[in-house]
Amino acid sequence: DQQVKQNSPSLSVQEGRISILNCDYTNSMFDYFLWYKKYPAEGPTFLISISSIKDKNEDGRFTVFLNKSAKHLSLHIVPSQPGDSAVYFCAASASTSGTYKYIFGTGTRLKVLA
Amino acid sequence: DTGVSQDPRHKITKRGQNVTFRCDPISEHNRLYWYRQTLGQGPEFLTYFQNEAQLEKSRLLSDRFSAERPKGSFSTLEIQRTEQGDSAMYLCASSPRRGGSTGELFFGEGSRLTVL
Repeated sequence: DQQVKQNSPSLSVQEGRISILNCDYTNSMFDYFLWYKKYPAEGPTFLISISSIKDKNEDGRFTVFLNKSAKHLSLHIVPSQPGDSAVYFCAASASTSGTYKYIFGTGTRLKVLA
Repeated sequence: DTGVSQDPRHKITKRGQNVTFRCDPISEHNRLYWYRQTLGQGPEFLTYFQNEAQLEKSRLLSDRFSAERPKGSFSTLEIQRTEQGDSAMYLCASSPRRGGSTGELFFGEGSRLTVL
C-alpha cells in the first residue's frame, strides 16, 4: 500500500528553466509534508515543508504547492541549476493520528542540463 | 560536526551473521528514527523512539530486528541471522519533537549493509 506516490521516476530540465516535481498521496489524515534531496552515498537533506493548513510555502528558489482536494503536492525549483541534480523525495506524516512517522515516496531523479 | 552520525558506514557480512549499527542523533533531539532504503525505493520506515521509548514499529521489522535507545541518546539497530534480503542502506534520523518550526527529520549519512 503505497500511500505516497511519485509517479515520475526521472525528469530532465535545462539549466535556468523551471523544474516541477509531483507527489500524490492517498491518506487524508496526512497533515505535514516534506521534500528531501538526496545525492548518491549521502543521507537525504531537508529542502522545504508545508502544513495542511497552507497551500503554498516558498523558500528561495523552492516553492511547494499543496492541493488537498486532489491529494497532490508539487515542488517547483526556479531557476534550476546543475547542482540541483539529485533524487527528490516527498514525505508525509499524520500527527493527528498520534503517529510521528513519515512515509516517503519512491523518488524522482532530476537531471539539470547545462 | 554536530549532525547525526552513523557507524559503521559500510558493513559486509556473510549470511547468518549478526550485525549492529549505531546512531548518534543531534543532541537535544528527543525523537530518533530508523529507515531502510533499497535501490530505486524511498526510505521505508522501520521504527522510532521518543526519548528511550520505542513508540512505533513497522511490520518490516521482523523478529530478527531489534532497536534500542537505552538512555534516550544514541540508538542501536541489530539484525540477527542476516539474510541477503537485508542488504540495504540503513538510515537514522533525529527530530526535536515536531522538528522545530519546520517538522523536518535530520538524516545521517547511512550505514550500507551488504549480505553475501
